Amino acid sequence: DIQMTQSPASLSASLEEIVTITCQASQDIGNWLAWYQQKPGKSPQLLIYDATSLADGVPSRFSGSRSGTQYSLKISRLQVEDIGSYYCQQAHSNPYTFGAGTKLELK
Amino acid sequence: QIQLVQSGPELKKPGESVKISCKASGYTFTDYAMHWVKQAPGKGLKWMGWINTYTGKPTYADDFKGRFVFSLEASASTANLQISNLKNEDTATYFCARNYGYDYLDYWGQGVMVTVSS
Repeated sequence: DIQMTQSPASLSASLEEIVTITCQASQDIGNWLAWYQQKPGKSPQLLIYDATSLADGVPSRFSGSRSGTQYSLKISRLQVEDIGSYYCQQAHSNPYTFGAGTKLELK
Repeated sequence: QIQLVQSGPELKKPGESVKISCKASGYTFTDYAMHWVKQAPGKGLKWMGWINTYTGKPTYADDFKGRFVFSLEASASTANLQISNLKNEDTATYFCARNYGYDYLDYWGQGVMVTVSS
């Protein structure tokens, strides 16, 4: 199985700050990577797919990038509504594993 | 608008079975596969597998082979998840989610909390 190592596990940041979350794939997954946001008590929401493509309706302050087998999610200017947990997911091969998640809190 | 509406919370005893439904609306059901995702209390997301809503063929992650069954009522635009011989470790919220592109998940149900306790 492909392992997705996500970091950090938790993160405290201030409003308007730049936030970066990373996922390291255990093998080449190309661009088959997505990022999801999950607010407390809610269902996950697709933010980014194909490593860098913004899902419909997602604010442009979210962006995704790739360097080899390392993938990053960047929030350019943190807003209060961005608080929650974030997960990466590889869609290269079965099982489509998720990272362990990053809990983002407000400082 | 596109919606996935799941059935209500369940409280079961170990060894019992449970069936969770996921009713889709706002799109052609058979055009998009349906995935299932497990989230244990306070934990992360775990992909369980998916079902081809056109052919009915299910695909299971290894950890979910045996006691877990994905099925369809295509005429009712509904996907189902049945879990048999429930164990304490099955206590979790189970989400259905629509397939988008290359196995991404674009629309999610609200989740069903299944509690297994004697």
